[in-house]
Amino acid sequence: DVVMTQSPLSLPVTLGQPASISCRSSQSLVHGSGETYLSWFQQRPGQSPRRLIYKVSTRDSGVPDRFSGSGSGTYFTLQISRVEAEDVGVYYCMQGTHWPPNTFGQGTRLQIK
Amino acid sequence: EVQLLESGGGLVQPGGSLGLSCAGSGFSFSTHTLTWVRQAPGKGLEWVSAFASGGGTYYADSVRGRFTISRDNSKNTLYLQMNSLRAEDTAVYYCASLGDLDVWGQGTTVTVSS
Repeated sequence: DVVMTQSPLSLPVTLGQPASISCRSSQSLVHGSGETYLSWFQQRPGQSPRRLIYKVSTRDSGVPDRFSGSGSGTYFTLQISRVEAEDVGVYYCMQGTHWPPNTFGQGTRLQIK
Repeated sequence: EVQLLESGGGLVQPGGSLGLSCAGSGFSFSTHTLTWVRQAPGKGLEWVSAFASGGGTYYADSVRGRFTISRDNSKNTLYLQMNSLRAEDTAVYYCASLGDLDVWGQGTTVTVSS
């Protein structure tokens, strides 16, 4: 199975400041189709996860444009340009290229300083 | 509204069985691969099992041989039959679509304890 490794695991951020989370995969996530199936999820406290980004950099409908995704191959990044209070929660990367199974990163807990 | 709604969680003794259901609405249920994902208390997300839109079924090594996934497209419902339950199966179980359509249920809690 593909192992997904996130860093940092804890991310204290001042309101209005940027934040960045990285995600590495144990093998390339480029699918035979040429697509890269790397997604980012946000889980707010007490809520179900929701997807923010799919195929590395495409934002889901309703996701604020302060969230952006980038990367290729085995290294990916989620960036928040200006952190707001509602961004508190745990963020997960997930690969869907080498499915089954989908595999998730360990999660990065974002909190406000 | 696109929605998934799980039910069936509860407290069960080690070695016992439990069946979960997940009812979908607001989307073309039969055309999507549906997945069970669990989250142990204070832990991250773990893929458990999936039923592909084309009919294939898949399991994590940790549950293979103990859990059975099924679906009834006429009822827009996904199921997970869990047998030989262990303490380490204690978790919130989510059903989700992890493909083109992103939708998650609210989760149902399974507690395995004597």
